[in-house]
Amino acid sequence: DARVTQTPRHKVTEMGQEVTMRCQPILGHNTVFWYRQTMMQGLELLAYFRNRAPLDDSGMPKDRFSAEMPDATLATLKIQPSEPRDSAVYFCASGLVERNQPQHFGDGTRLSIL
Amino acid sequence: AQKITQTQPGMFVQEKEAVTLDCTYDTSDQSYGLFWYKQPSSGEMIFLIYQGSYDEQNATEGRYSLNFQKARKSANLVISASQLGDSAMYFCAIALTNRDDKIIFGKGTRLHILP
Repeated sequence: DARVTQTPRHKVTEMGQEVTMRCQPILGHNTVFWYRQTMMQGLELLAYFRNRAPLDDSGMPKDRFSAEMPDATLATLKIQPSEPRDSAVYFCASGLVERNQPQHFGDGTRLSIL
Repeated sequence: AQKITQTQPGMFVQEKEAVTLDCTYDTSDQSYGLFWYKQPSSGEMIFLIYQGSYDEQNATEGRYSLNFQKARKSANLVISASQLGDSAMYFCAIALTNRDDKIIFGKGTRLHILP
């Protein structure tokens, strides 16, 4: 079965460091989403792309977060500089904009900022 | 703005019993889709079932069915004959078809199946 692939699965780093998370969406999917999951806030939509163009990044702190899709097979989420409050699980999901088509999630990146 | 409400933070159910997980939504849009996802302790998000706002029949997928009551804006998930492996976090979500299909998730319900 096709899967969304996220790397790394785990990341521990010190505050102030740059963090880059990568996502390979399912081939043929035209929409990519980035979510952050914490115990307190649940699942928050950070940003999403349609056909590689950013559609909405209103959920993302603009001063330190950036999301890009350099090509159809790669989406990136960067945090610079990282802070302890960024510790969370970050999910990437991809989908096809048609009825009955769900988003398929990657396994997530568990990020810990010390 | 659209909103998803899951009123049960946690539930304990005896194995083999049926389970209903509540979900209500708030939107003024006429065209939307409702989803349920399962997140086991291992952390992955697993798609379970989908219901379109114009679908007349309730969606079913194996032991999962969606009790869709459009007038009440509810989309409850029913799991028949629960199993120990059903213990997980369950999320209800809504996608507005005419607004770029952005999906909004509820806070989730943690289901514990007791042996």
